[in-house]
Amino acid sequence: SAVISQKPSRDICQRGTSLTIQCQVDSQVTMMFWYRQQPGQSLTLIATANQGSEATYESGFVIDKFPISRPNLTFSTLTVSNMSPEDSSIYLCSVADGDQPQHFGDGTRLSIL
Amino acid sequence: QQPVQSPQAVILREGEDAVINCSSSKALYSVHWYRQKHGEAPIFLMILLKGGEQKGHDKISASFNEKKQQSSLYLTASQLSYSGTYFCGTDSGGYQKVTFGTGTKLQVIP
Repeated sequence: SAVISQKPSRDICQRGTSLTIQCQVDSQVTMMFWYRQQPGQSLTLIATANQGSEATYESGFVIDKFPISRPNLTFSTLTVSNMSPEDSSIYLCSVADGDQPQHFGDGTRLSIL
Repeated sequence: QQPVQSPQAVILREGEDAVINCSSSKALYSVHWYRQKHGEAPIFLMILLKGGEQKGHDKISASFNEKKQQSSLYLTASQLSYSGTYFCGTDSGGYQKVTFGTGTKLQVIP
């Protein structure tokens, strides 16, 4: 399966600031996704990152808060904007190619003070 | 709608068996099973496609009842390494967009 590198692995940020999380894959993949996982909870899909076009957001998530880029088939970024303590969470990218299942990066552990 | 898993938590002794159930309110194209250890990323276990398929490797297997919109994960002769939280993920459209279930925390003790 693809090797997925997610950066940063963790960060502590001040409220009101923004953080951009990067997801790099070692091979081209058709699908890239961004998830949020709050402590002790399941994974919630934020959006599907589409190469060359706007991301597809799930209900409850908006582009102004979570802008996503995907300039090519191996790279995507998620920005968490104007952060508040409620945004403290683990953010995970995952990739899938064709009919293969999703594989996850190691995640970014984000704490907001 | 998020798939519902049962039980929410289970404690096993090494060598015991367990069944984790996943129930969806939507028609399903596929069901995916993952295990996540504390502080780590979810790890893919297996995928089942519609058609009532049953799959397995080693001592972990799963079934998928398309009509009932349910899947079950079977762990036999559990090992300490099986400890973690198990998530089912359901795909209703065949586009790899997966909705993850509520999770089942499994602990195997010596």
